[in-house]
Amino acid sequence: DTEVTQTPKHLVMGMTNKKSLKCEQHMGHRAMYWYKQKAKKPPELMFVYSYEKLSINESVPSRFSPECPNSSLLNLHLHALQPEDSALYLCASSQGSGSFGETQYFGPGTRLLVL
Amino acid sequence: GENVEQHPSTLSVQEGDSAVIKCTYSDSASNYFPWYKQELGKGPQLIIDIRSNVGEKKDQRIAVTLNKTAKHFSLHITETQPEDSAVYFCAARKGGGGSQGNLIFGKGTKLSVKP
Repeated sequence: DTEVTQTPKHLVMGMTNKKSLKCEQHMGHRAMYWYKQKAKKPPELMFVYSYEKLSINESVPSRFSPECPNSSLLNLHLHALQPEDSALYLCASSQGSGSFGETQYFGPGTRLLVL
Repeated sequence: GENVEQHPSTLSVQEGDSAVIKCTYSDSASNYFPWYKQELGKGPQLIIDIRSNVGEKKDQRIAVTLNKTAKHFSLHITETQPEDSAVYFCAARKGGGGSQGNLIFGKGTKLSVKP
């Protein structure tokens, strides 16, 4: 089973709202990722968690706050977002985060619209 | 840093024909090259990958070739079917931890298979 699940599938929020995106995997993977994808563009890496510790933050604004409660769960907390943050947010996981040939498996994404 | 170029950006073929998508990478230390298929409204799905110790890999109608000397790799789809229509992303990655292990994506190829 190579399934990564994400909830919700769709989210509409105002610029003053606080919301959270959730991601879950039960493959025993120890690395989890958040990506942002705009229309007709490739995914852009936001954060990497390795063994439940934040290992990479690609200079993401503080209005995005990741959290890894345990090895199977990854959250992305959203606060005071801007309309330009509207995008597809993808979660991915891999066995590790840097070894040779680590395969990343993506979830279906959360389509976020900020009004 | 690594840079991945992908061509063509759009590709239209007749059902039953073959489709070829090409990518070049800049960093000779890259050693892992996955291909993802992304259908409309879904997350990227890994369809095939190749590591630098192999020159070619095949899985039914899909094959990937790697030329390390020229630093390019290609996706070949034979006997295309309408359900192959999607956006395809190539990616490259180096081994090692930290940001070295990040996937670097090409810009994508929109493949349309006409019945």
